Amino acid sequence: EVQLVESGGGLVQPGRSMKLSCAASGFTFNNYDMAWVCQAPKKGLEWVATISYDGSSTYYRDSVKGRFTISRDNAKSTLYLQMDSLRSEDTATYYCARGFPWFAYWGQGTLVTVSS
Amino acid sequence: DIVLTQSPALAVSLGQRATISCRASESVRSSMHWYQQKSGQQPKLLIYGASNLASGVPARFSGSGSGTDFTFTIDPVEADDIATYYCQQSRNDPLTFGSGTKLEIK
Repeated sequence: EVQLVESGGGLVQPGRSMKLSCAASGFTFNNYDMAWVCQAPKKGLEWVATISYDGSSTYYRDSVKGRFTISRDNAKSTLYLQMDSLRSEDTATYYCARGFPWFAYWGQGTLVTVSS
Repeated sequence: DIVLTQSPALAVSLGQRATISCRASESVRSSMHWYQQKSGQQPKLLIYGASNLASGVPARFSGSGSGTDFTFTIDPVEADDIATYYCQQSRNDPLTFGSGTKLEIK
């Protein structure tokens, strides 16, 4: 069974950093592109970033370019999202998702709240 | 960015057909996918490539369309289908989602 389990969310002050993790199991992690998708409270879904199966290519939405970094450790079957210079508008539930260009499996999400 | 437009809500009687539309601001060919999100849960892929049923998804769900106009259908609607349904395009970067259609039971 495919499982994606996010962790690392919480309350953070504007301008600070936070790193999210997503532990994958039930499939061969290094065979799949992976992504982060976020959802602000009571709002719709927004793609954040994608990383290729081997980590050689990364893609970001414009609003997070230069602030967020997606990475992966295939030996640990873990996906990461390093979020720097956080803003109030980054407040959202962040989902880890498998696949590109559609997202076949999703984690349960981790809530990031950016507030002073 | 490609904008995907969905109606905010749709009310349907149990056992009837529900049809949800998604209109793209420019052609996405067949690069359209559909997700179901129940309250408090993560999204679930239902349809990929406009009309392909994802693994394990009941045949009551279907998708059609190409270019700019797409349709997602549930027939017949069951009580468990209460959720918000999102379309997503992958034709152009950035990947974008519609704002979602909330399915309600009459």
